Amino acid sequence: EAEVAQSPRYKITEKSQAVAFWCDPISGHATLYWYRQILGQGPELLVQFQDESVVDDSQLPKDRFSAERLKGVDSTLKIQPAELGDSAMYLCASSLQVLTEAFFGQGTRLTVV
Amino acid sequence: AQTVTQSQPEMSVQEAETVTLSCTYDTSENNYYLFWYKQPPSRQMILVIRQEAYKQQNATENRFSVNFQKAAKSFSLKISDSQLGDTAMYFCAFISAGGTSYGKLTFGQGTILTVHP
Repeated sequence: EAEVAQSPRYKITEKSQAVAFWCDPISGHATLYWYRQILGQGPELLVQFQDESVVDDSQLPKDRFSAERLKGVDSTLKIQPAELGDSAMYLCASSLQVLTEAFFGQGTRLTVV
Repeated sequence: AQTVTQSQPEMSVQEAETVTLSCTYDTSENNYYLFWYKQPPSRQMILVIRQEAYKQQNATENRFSVNFQKAAKSFSLKISDSQLGDTAMYFCAFISAGGTSYGKLTFGQGTILTVHP
């Protein structure tokens, strides 16, 4: 069964360091989402791609976060420099098209120390 | 802006009983979709059920059903014959099919459901 792949599963980094997360969506899925989920809360959308284009990054802290999906397939989310408040689960999801079911990866648990 | 509110941080139910999780949302759009997602402990989020706003009939999926009240902007999830495997965090989610928030998938704060044996 096709799944959304994310790596790494866990990441511990020091404050002010750079960190990157990778997501490989289900093959053929045009829409890709990155969410941040603080423990015990709902996911917050950071960025949404349609193919290689960003369609929503209004909640992305652009001074330190960046995201790309160069060939419209896999995607990378980067934080530089990381801050203590960035500790959270980072979830990637994909859907065949906008408005269809979103499938989630297992997430990357980030701890900033 | 669209918002989704889940007013029950935690719920519990006995195995085989029925439980209802509440969700309200706010939007100015007329065409949209609503979802309930389940996030088991340390496992990935999966879709439980989906409702199209233009459909009056409430969606059902085996033991899961919804009560969709469009005028009240309410979308509750009923779980019948609760099983231990239903223990999870449940999220209500909304996606607009029009307007400036077209295609943006927004989640509520979640409800932790515990099923007791």
